[in-house]
Amino acid sequence: GAVVSQHPSWVICKSGTSVKIECRSLDFQATTMFWYRQFPKQSLMLMATSNEGSKATYEQGVEKDKFLINHASLTLSTLTVTSAHPEDSSFYICSANFRASLVSSYEQYFGPGTRLTVT
Amino acid sequence: QQQVKQSPQSLIVQKGGISIINCAYENTAFDYFPWYQQFPGKGPALLIAIRPDVSEKKEGRFTISFNKSAKQFSLHIMDSQPGDSATYFCAARAGGSQGNLIFGKGTKLSVKP
Repeated sequence: GAVVSQHPSWVICKSGTSVKIECRSLDFQATTMFWYRQFPKQSLMLMATSNEGSKATYEQGVEKDKFLINHASLTLSTLTVTSAHPEDSSFYICSANFRASLVSSYEQYFGPGTRLTVT
Repeated sequence: QQQVKQSPQSLIVQKGGISIINCAYENTAFDYFPWYQQFPGKGPALLIAIRPDVSEKKEGRFTISFNKSAKQFSLHIMDSQPGDSATYFCAARAGGSQGNLIFGKGTKLSVKP
């Protein structure tokens, strides 16, 4: 199967500090990964698309200097929340595209999410 | 044009009943329509997906019905169980085979024993 992991699963940090969240594809290589943010009882909001070896593409309204994304290898993408503030507290979820074979469609598999609380 | 509209917002079904969740879209360029199941505090899990050249797909108790002319698709959960209680999201893909997903707002399903 296609397994995506995230680390940490939850993190508490103080206002003004930076936090890094890792997203790994465990049993496949992912040229494209995505980062989402989800508020309680709401849908997933796409923040950015991360492509291996190139700069991430950010959605409108997402501050690229605040949410730094690095996709340095085919199995790892990181999201760094810089100078975090309480309003950045949220559930952050990554996903990766996987296809079972060259003739299969890509399917998007999600990680378990990271709960960020900024105090 | 990028929206995916999902209904109902919440749904209560008795154990053994059929749960039906509907989604509608506008953009005819969408080429892939997955459904995800999400439990509280967890990431969404891919449940079942369909492409627009197929009108129905069944996997176990889960069936997607797809109406291309009406630009609508729905998820049917047969013999609903309390363990199916979760939030369900429909989605549609834009922008090619590795494009991003556009999500509906979600449906919270509660299956009563």
